[in-house]
Amino acid sequence: NAGVTQTPKFRILKIGQSMTLQCTQDMNHNYMYWYRQDPGMGLKLIYYSVGAGITDKGEVPNGYNVSRSTTEDFPLRLELAAPSQTSVYFCASSYSSPDYGYTFGSGTRLTVV
Amino acid sequence: AQTVTQSQPEMSVQEAETVTLSCTYDTSESNYYLFWYKQPPSRQMILVIRQEAYKQQNATENRFSVNFQKAAKSFSLKISDSQLGDTAMYFCAFMKQGGSEKLVFGKGTKLTVNP
Repeated sequence: NAGVTQTPKFRILKIGQSMTLQCTQDMNHNYMYWYRQDPGMGLKLIYYSVGAGITDKGEVPNGYNVSRSTTEDFPLRLELAAPSQTSVYFCASSYSSPDYGYTFGSGTRLTVV
Repeated sequence: AQTVTQSQPEMSVQEAETVTLSCTYDTSESNYYLFWYKQPPSRQMILVIRQEAYKQQNATENRFSVNFQKAAKSFSLKISDSQLGDTAMYFCAFMKQGGSEKLVFGKGTKLTVNP
């Protein structure tokens, strides 16, 4: 199994540009999440989804949008990129039970210049 | 809202020795789960150990064990017989039961194992 696949792994954006971070999982997990990791700050939840067609805001949603049209895919959209969005982004998925923990993608390092 | 505090930004240990990483959390919930995740230089997040709050017995996974003190809201990780491959960032995380399984992370502890 591929697990959780994130693309791209690295990206440099100019201020004001837009992009979509892709996330796909092949484990039939209901729950999916987007976190950002800033140095010395741990991981903070941006958006999450408990199933296809259902999304909700996390702790730091401003400047981002998500959609969940299928169980497998959970893309994160950045509109009008700002330097404050320079970060490492992680997608994760899980069953609707804490017994198994998360499966994380390998992350996307995004730099906005 | 829940908060997770890791008071040790960096720690080091000699190979084969034992080290303990600290974590405290704040919550008014009765039912929850606690986790330790490892992030090596490869950036991959790896689940190390998990503890259910309703279980009094401390979780153990090979060389990794926890000291869970529910009343004190403390959840420390002990690594025995430290190995060079244990060098990583370690994150403590909290999950409320029935809360869409959202994880709240601490800021992490950078552990270096020295040969």
